[in-house]
Amino acid sequence: AQSVTQPDIHITVSEGASLELRCNYSYGATPYLFWYVQSPGQGLQLLLKYFSGDTLVQGIKGFEAEFKRSQSSFNLRKPSVHWSDAAEYFCAVGAPSGYSTLTFGKGTMLLVSP
Amino acid sequence: DAGVIQSPRHEVTEMGQEVTLRCKPISGHNSLFWYRQTMMRGLELLIYFNNNVPIDDSGMPEDRFSAKMPNASFSTLKIQPSEPRDSAVYFCASGGLNRLVGTDTQYFGPGTRLTVL
Repeated sequence: AQSVTQPDIHITVSEGASLELRCNYSYGATPYLFWYVQSPGQGLQLLLKYFSGDTLVQGIKGFEAEFKRSQSSFNLRKPSVHWSDAAEYFCAVGAPSGYSTLTFGKGTMLLVSP
Repeated sequence: DAGVIQSPRHEVTEMGQEVTLRCKPISGHNSLFWYRQTMMRGLELLIYFNNNVPIDDSGMPEDRFSAKMPNASFSTLKIQPSEPRDSAVYFCASGGLNRLVGTDTQYFGPGTRLTVL
């Protein structure tokens, strides 16, 4: 069975500083990988996804993520955080075959300090 | 595209009452997912449909919960009778799902915040 670990429950970053949110997955083969963001009172919005090909994926709002097969990781990065990035971020993994759903991590809450 | 539409956005009801949550998926998507989100348990998948057929309902907490998808553009999640522990945010998501290709991107609605008193 697939699983996702987001080891950081909360992260605080100063506005303008760089950001990296960690995501590790467990799956027997190369999975499909996703990052979603949830602002307070809102649904989950897709930031980016990896299905195959280039392991560095660009997303919306200036985010990127890198798939590292050797580390079973799909970390999310942003070079300069804005106050509006404060939200909860979810990593998810899906299987590339069969009827499959997404398995979500527990989420990382990003706080942005002035 | 209007995205996934959910109604109502907020629902407050009393214990024992029936609650019906509604979802309109994105046109052309062939899969629909119902999730529940709470502080304690995070995001839980309750049930999902592919081509209007329920594929996996193992996440439905108990018989008080039921879900239907009578056509490609509408789904309901019903709780009868409701209990205070059902208070949560319920999300509907839709996506394309191909048995050969596997998982596809899911697009989430804004959610329904349910409070059972």
